[in-house]
Amino acid sequence: AQSVTQLDSQVPVFEEAPVELRCNYSSSVSVYLFWYVQYPNQGLQLLLKYLSGSTLVESINGFEAEFNKSQTSFHLRKPSVHISDTAEYFCAVSGSNNLFFGTGTRLTVIP
Amino acid sequence: NAGVTQTPKFQVLKTGQSMTLQCAQDMNHEYMSWYRQDPGMGLRLIHYSVGAGITDQGEVPNGYNVSRSTTEDFPLRLLSAAPSQTSVYFCASSTRRYGEAFFGQGTRLTVV
Repeated sequence: AQSVTQLDSQVPVFEEAPVELRCNYSSSVSVYLFWYVQYPNQGLQLLLKYLSGSTLVESINGFEAEFNKSQTSFHLRKPSVHISDTAEYFCAVSGSNNLFFGTGTRLTVIP
Repeated sequence: NAGVTQTPKFQVLKTGQSMTLQCAQDMNHEYMSWYRQDPGMGLRLIHYSVGAGITDQGEVPNGYNVSRSTTEDFPLRLLSAAPSQTSVYFCASSTRRYGEAFFGQGTRLTVV
């Protein structure tokens, strides 16, 4: 069975500081991994995904995540956050028929 | 492109009432799903469909029914609403089992 653990429910960080949102997964089979972002009162949007190939994946707005098979992790990082990055972030892992989501990390960027 | 459209955006029901949450997608996606989002619990899968005429249960199916008569539509029915069904409901679709999921804007349901 697949599961996802997001270790931090809330992460406050000052503007222009780096941030890491942690995600660990468990799965008995090969996985595909995703990060989704949810802005207030909106649905989820795909931020980035790992399907195969390079273990480092990047998004268009400066986020990156690294698939680490030995540590079963897929942490999300950004070297310098902006106010507009304030949102809730969900890590997800592919299952037999659908996605399994973590409980989410609320990132708050402080001016 | 409209993408995934959910209606209504907000709904208040009395305990015992029934209703249908509508979901439609215009991307010709095979896979469609319903999730509920509750504080501190992330998204939990209610029901999903891998194509027209094919549906299956997810993690929390009790109290909900679905059907998939067309590729585009995937309505979620609450049979007899209970306060425990107060939640935000999201519909999603994707081209394949492990592909990117596209989400609707959500329906915020309150059962009193």
